[in-house]
Amino acid sequence: AQKITQTQPGMFVQEKEAVTLDCTYDTSDQSYGLFWYKQPSSGEMIFLIYQGSYDEQNATEGRYSLNFQKARKSANLVISASQLGDSAMYFCAMREGYGGSQGNLIFGKGTKLSVKP
Amino acid sequence: GAGVSQTPSNKVTEKGKYVELRCDPISGHTALYWYRQSLGQGPEFLIYFQGTGAADDSGLPNDRFFAVRPEGSVSTLKIQRTERGDSAVYLCASSLTGQGAPDYGYTFGSGTRLTVV
Repeated sequence: AQKITQTQPGMFVQEKEAVTLDCTYDTSDQSYGLFWYKQPSSGEMIFLIYQGSYDEQNATEGRYSLNFQKARKSANLVISASQLGDSAMYFCAMREGYGGSQGNLIFGKGTKLSVKP
Repeated sequence: GAGVSQTPSNKVTEKGKYVELRCDPISGHTALYWYRQSLGQGPEFLIYFQGTGAADDSGLPNDRFFAVRPEGSVSTLKIQRTERGDSAVYLCASSLTGQGAPDYGYTFGSGTRLTVV
């Protein structure tokens, strides 16, 4: 079974509108971390936002917020006020167990976001 | 250095040849990770080093793949008898671990694009 599922291979959004990218995860660990990364066509992986499994509040970083629903095992990324530069691949990832930045990340297949002017 | 450095950025090799890919992590980062990203997919975990030792090599696909980190800094991923299916982008990441380390402190390199012809 996949540990990280991203069901949207591609998404379109109009510039200045908000968009939600879906991510569900599967783990039996009580302690885990959830990440979102952006990968532009240039290839680098850019960290966007992090949510720890014990964090009670949803994480926010500027225009990015993570809609964390623990019981449903979902960690959707919300991008507000989309910009043309947001066009890229977006990956959801999970680290099981450990603590700190220790342990490998498990990635989903990604969602390609295209922002239309 | 300021970031994770991977060399070469591109490598073309003939089927059956041996290749080495190098990763120079952020200075002081104790953990180092190798991932493989095939076209249109998310990164897949290969191996994780904590210091000089491989803490988890469960992602290495077969015994043609081997990685070392002899002094706990630079790492080399070695692929013997390359096959066309090995063509992918190989990503390296590093992180600071231990007390006080942030939970989200993974930094990725720009990757080495390996093409086996």
